Amino acid sequence: QVQLQESGPGLVKPSQTLSLTCTVSGGSISSGSYYWSWIRQPAGKGLEWIGRIYTSGSTNYNPSLKSRVTISVDTSKNQFSLKLSSVTAADTAVYYCAREPTGAGGAFDIWGQGTMVTVSS
Amino acid sequence: SYVLTQPPSVSVAPGKTARITCGGNNIGSKSVHWYQQKPGQAPVLVIYYDSDRPSGIPERFSGSNSGNTATLTISRVEAGDEADYYCQVWDSSSDHDVVFGGGTKLTVL
Repeated sequence: QVQLQESGPGLVKPSQTLSLTCTVSGGSISSGSYYWSWIRQPAGKGLEWIGRIYTSGSTNYNPSLKSRVTISVDTSKNQFSLKLSSVTAADTAVYYCAREPTGAGGAFDIWGQGTMVTVSS
Repeated sequence: SYVLTQPPSVSVAPGKTARITCGGNNIGSKSVHWYQQKPGQAPVLVIYYDSDRPSGIPERFSGSNSGNTATLTISRVEAGDEADYYCQVWDSSSDHDVVFGGGTKLTVL
């Protein structure tokens, strides 16, 4: 049973870079059949897709965040990571990592439990 | 960018049928996925590719998609179905971006 677990600081100062890691257990991130995504949800609001990475290293980002986002993968550690630069209070949210089978229009079939990140001085 | 429109809330009595809509321009040409999210929990996939159910999801959950509207139908609604529901598609016109609807709060009366 594949599981995802987010980790990283729960508090980030404005203008700094938010860094989170998602650890994949119960399966290999290099299986080649999945994309690996980050999704966030501000308190009381809806879901926002941040971006995805394939194990080849190819990425797609939400255009609204593209200038500030970097997603990378470390297959040796079975992890993928998110960096979001120049954060503001608007980036305060629960951040989820999720698995997305490849193929046109794939759904997110497995999600991490989510990690709360607050941007505040 | 592509926009998905959901009603903010839907209310239904136990045992009745709930229908949650997701509107989008020619959404019938896209694959629609639905998620259930209970308070304090991560979303759970309940319908994928318009009408398929993942393993473990009750048959009471079904989906359809045609024209400009996709619909999630929950039959014989139970108290435990009370949750937020989100639809999602790929916007193939913009480098396979992912788009979520704004979410619908299902209240079981």
